[in-house]
Amino acid sequence: QTVVTQEPSLTVSPGGTVTLTCASSTGAVTSGYYPNWFQQKPGQAPRALIYSTSNKHPWTPARFAGSLLGGKAALTLSGVQPEDEAEYYCLLYHDNARVFGGGTKLTVL
Amino acid sequence: EVQLVESGGGLVQPGGSLRLSCAASGFTFRKYDMHWVRQGAGKGLEWVSAIGTGGDTYYLASVEGRFTISRDDARNSLDLQMDTLYAGDAAVYYCARGGASWGDERFDYWGQGTLVTVSS
Repeated sequence: QTVVTQEPSLTVSPGGTVTLTCASSTGAVTSGYYPNWFQQKPGQAPRALIYSTSNKHPWTPARFAGSLLGGKAALTLSGVQPEDEAEYYCLLYHDNARVFGGGTKLTVL
Repeated sequence: EVQLVESGGGLVQPGGSLRLSCAASGFTFRKYDMHWVRQGAGKGLEWVSAIGTGGDTYYLASVEGRFTISRDDARNSLDLQMDTLYAGDAAVYYCARGGASWGDERFDYWGQGTLVTVSS
């Protein structure tokens, strides 16, 4: 069974830049894994940010960017805002199944 | 406006069954894949099942044979029949809209979720 690994927690200062990554136990993440990224705040449903590696939804703030980096999917936040403090999840497609990473708790401090 | 509204959650005993529904509106339902995703208390997201526009179905290994996803395009409705429930199935269950074509892997809209509790 595929395991998707994310950093458990990261801390960033307001205005700073941070990169979250998403690795697959099956090997290098490629565009064929169609990486998605989601933001979730306490008590809320997840909100979609990025699909198919780097595509933004109409509501995705410009400071969020998806990419492939060193065999992993990556989500980079530039000019972090206090409201970006949240849990972030990646999702990979693999053999008709989808697998979420364990999530990264991003603290803005 | 795209809306997804889940219903059917509740308390069920171990070994019991429950049927969840997701009412969709604001888009052409038959054109999109649909998914169920769950989240246990204090835990991360877990993909559960998907159904394509052609009725093809896919499941998380641990629910295969116990859960059945279905869709009714005439009623714009997505269902998840859950049988032989275990304590580990307890979670908030979300429905999410998928993509509209092959290779369009997205979960762009989500419902607010329905809570399933499995306890004696």
